[in-house]
Amino acid sequence: DGGITQSPKYLFRKEGQNVTLSCEQNLNHDAMYWYRQDPGQGLRLIYYSQIVNDFQKGDIAEGYSVSREKKESFPLTVTSAQKNPTAFYLCASRKRQGTDTQYFGPGTRLTVL
Amino acid sequence: AQSVTQLGSHVSVSEGALVLLRCNYSSSVPPYLFWYVQYPNQGLQLLLKYTTGATLVKGINGFEAEFKKSETSFHLTKPSAHMSDAAEYFCAVRDMYSGGGADGLTFGKGTHLIIQP
Repeated sequence: DGGITQSPKYLFRKEGQNVTLSCEQNLNHDAMYWYRQDPGQGLRLIYYSQIVNDFQKGDIAEGYSVSREKKESFPLTVTSAQKNPTAFYLCASRKRQGTDTQYFGPGTRLTVL
Repeated sequence: AQSVTQLGSHVSVSEGALVLLRCNYSSSVPPYLFWYVQYPNQGLQLLLKYTTGATLVKGINGFEAEFKKSETSFHLTKPSAHMSDAAEYFCAVRDMYSGGGADGLTFGKGTHLIIQP
């Protein structure tokens, strides 16, 4: 089955530790995205990547980092510089040509203790 | 800059009643418009989208939405609510001419739909 996988579904970390969230897609999509979701806030864009080895900051990139070494993978690292990292993180992907729809993964809920 | 306003953070309807979730957008160029649904602790699933053509768009699970340019609206409706419709609904807009960048997908803050038995 084609789709987007995110792991783990739940993640707990101590304050001050970096943590990496995984996002993999087998849809052959060019563009990938990371969003943060907080209650009542909707979705806010953290980083996006249109092609391999290239990525751009979104609206709330501070305290986060990403890499795009493979088309299928777009991991997100939440660093200790992120002041309030507890949130639900959603990865999405889109084929750049011919469609405008972003498809979403199931999400990772990060809790920093 | 684009923006999306969803009127009502919570909407409660009785099972079998009409569902109406409101979405208004602001955009300086023709938009693409989307409705997504999210069940607890899950990702977003596309319900329907408007790109060009017919302004009344039908989606999955019996939902539909109508693009009204004069009102800058894209309200989501369903004639008869079912308990399984209880979820969070997000309206999103994208600039039709956006060839890349962040793709201009701007989301509203969401509406939590509650179905009363």
